[in-house]
Amino acid sequence: EAQVTQNPRYLITVTGKKLTVTCSQNMNHEYMSWYRQDPGLGLRQIYYSMNVEVTDKGDVPEGYKVSRKEKRNFPLILESPSPNQTSLYFCASSSSGAYNEQFFGPGTRLTVL
Amino acid sequence: GENVEQHPSTLSVQEGDSAVIKCTYSDSASNYFPWYKQELGKRPQLIIDIRSNVGEKKDQRIAVTLNKTAKHFSLHITETQPEDSAVYFCALYTGTASKLTFGTGTRLQVTL
Repeated sequence: EAQVTQNPRYLITVTGKKLTVTCSQNMNHEYMSWYRQDPGLGLRQIYYSMNVEVTDKGDVPEGYKVSRKEKRNFPLILESPSPNQTSLYFCASSSSGAYNEQFFGPGTRLTVL
Repeated sequence: GENVEQHPSTLSVQEGDSAVIKCTYSDSASNYFPWYKQELGKRPQLIIDIRSNVGEKKDQRIAVTLNKTAKHFSLHITETQPEDSAVYFCALYTGTASKLTFGTGTRLQVTL
């Protein structure tokens, strides 16, 4: 089954404790991206990757890191989480950039205390 | 980045009525305009999209119209049903950077 998976689905952590949210897709998509969803603000892009070893900042990259060492995986790293990073995070992938349908993962609800 | 304004933020209609959600943008270079539906607790999913060389596109009860001169595009849902209740997001792609910019969402409630 073609899909985008994220782990964990739910996470409660404390300020400053490094964490990684994994994202994996099995559709051989070149383009992957991370979004955060906050009430009243819609979906805002954090980082995106056009292909392996190619990443770029989205609209809200501060406090986040990403890497793209393999085509299928695109982890999101919070080196020192803060309460303002409490949010719902979605990973997405597409066969050819942002100009086509984005397939979203199930989401990760993160709470930083 | 590119801004897109979406209105209304909430919309309540009776079953069988039509619903219209509108998005406006400023960058005339925008050339791809998708709409995503997010049901409660679920992930966003593409329901319809339109590219800049087309003025209207329809898929059963859903249609999208694009007015490039006025820089706005709209989602039209006819004969609404309870399962249409969800949050709808417009988005646009400009091409200067390979990313989508999403609107703030419209919560549609279809009442019986």
